[in-house]
Amino acid sequence: DAGVTQSPTHLIKTRGQQVTLRCSPKSGHDTVSWYQQALGQGPQFIFQYYEEEERQRGNFPDRFSGHQFPNYSSELNVNALLLGDSALYLCASSLGDGEQFFGPGTRLTVL
Amino acid sequence: DAKTTQPTSMDCAEGRAANLPCNHSTISGNEYVYWYRQIHSQGPQYIIHGLKNNETNEMASLIITEDRKSSTLILPHATLRDTAVYYCIVPFGNRDDKIIFGKGTRLHILP
Repeated sequence: DAGVTQSPTHLIKTRGQQVTLRCSPKSGHDTVSWYQQALGQGPQFIFQYYEEEERQRGNFPDRFSGHQFPNYSSELNVNALLLGDSALYLCASSLGDGEQFFGPGTRLTVL
Repeated sequence: DAKTTQPTSMDCAEGRAANLPCNHSTISGNEYVYWYRQIHSQGPQYIIHGLKNNETNEMASLIITEDRKSSTLILPHATLRDTAVYYCIVPFGNRDDKIIFGKGTRLHILP
């Protein structure tokens, strides 16, 4: 079992650009959540996808959007990147009421 | 906002038990307490969770007070690999589906 995988591992973008991050959930999991973790801070909940729909959302602007595919994998899109969007982006998957399993994250740097 | 408070940092000698406290005084009767840890530059790792009763697994033990307003995570024989940030979390509602992380406790295992 590969667990939760994320791609790419690292990414460098410039202000104003758009970025797409990808996540494959742990085998058998149907729910994907995304988190943003700034340096020295705990992860902040962005949103959660279940059955290809956004089910819950944290306090993030509309520049942050996502998608879940029929195979439960998910994408996080961020438009009009700002310097403050530089962070580690974490994906977590779960099944039903089970605990969340996190991927290794994608380190995004915005210059 | 996170519903838990934890000490910012703790030290523990290698081979000794590490006891990490957490206050969650506003917890509701049906809310679980979850513990995750994050080793530097990795995604958070699930450790254990509980509702009322004490819990034990291969990684740790969780002691929850009778009034459920606080809990303690116990790593029985700490090793250097246990050095990490430990997060105590009370997700909203019954489901582990919107995890609000605080800043956690940075545990240093001393050789």
